[in-house]
Amino acid sequence: DTGVSQDPRHKITKRGQNVTFRCDPISEHNRLYWYRQTLGQGPEFLTYFQNEAQLEKSRLLSDRFSAERPKGSFSTLEIQRTEQGDSAMYLCASSPRDGVEAFFGQGTRLTVV
Amino acid sequence: AQSVTQLDSQVPVFEEAPVELRCNYSSSVSVYLFWYVQYPNQGLQLLLKYLSGSTLVESINGFEAEFNKSQTSFHLRKPSVHISDTAEYFCAVMDSGAGSYQLTFGKGTKLSVIP
Repeated sequence: DTGVSQDPRHKITKRGQNVTFRCDPISEHNRLYWYRQTLGQGPEFLTYFQNEAQLEKSRLLSDRFSAERPKGSFSTLEIQRTEQGDSAMYLCASSPRDGVEAFFGQGTRLTVV
Repeated sequence: AQSVTQLDSQVPVFEEAPVELRCNYSSSVSVYLFWYVQYPNQGLQLLLKYLSGSTLVESINGFEAEFNKSQTSFHLRKPSVHISDTAEYFCAVMDSGAGSYQLTFGKGTKLSVIP
């Protein structure tokens, strides 16, 4: 049984560039979440999908951020026109249909220079 | 909105000594409670959870946490720590009746076990 997989693990980008991250949840998990974690802080909720439907979005998710889960399996998180303040660890998690606990991937660390 | 307070940002403790990591949450509505552990440059691993039933929950590696509704607390304890327990620990809460699966996390407590 593979866990939640995130790609890439690390991304360095120049300010103003667009970046896209991918998350593959645990097989059969119908809920998928994105969180952001900055240095010295706990993870903060960004958005949540149930199957392909995006059901919740945090106000932290500015217009430059967009997330998709087109077929209810993997998800992508895109950040357009990156800013230095976007530098963080982006965590993906998934939950099974019959449970509430979230299982996290290892994260994608974004550095905007 | 929920908030979670982990009062201690860092806790140093000698090996084989007991430890308590404190967690308080803001709301007395029905909640699910979780402790996650994070090793350097890793994601979060679920350590233990309280969903319902017994207020004392245990993990497979000797940690336990007790849900106290009147004090809105969910403190994590271990009677004897090992070097391998050195990590950052996050407490998280989810409103169980809101139809939302959003987790609200505390800022974390870094546990350092001293040989």
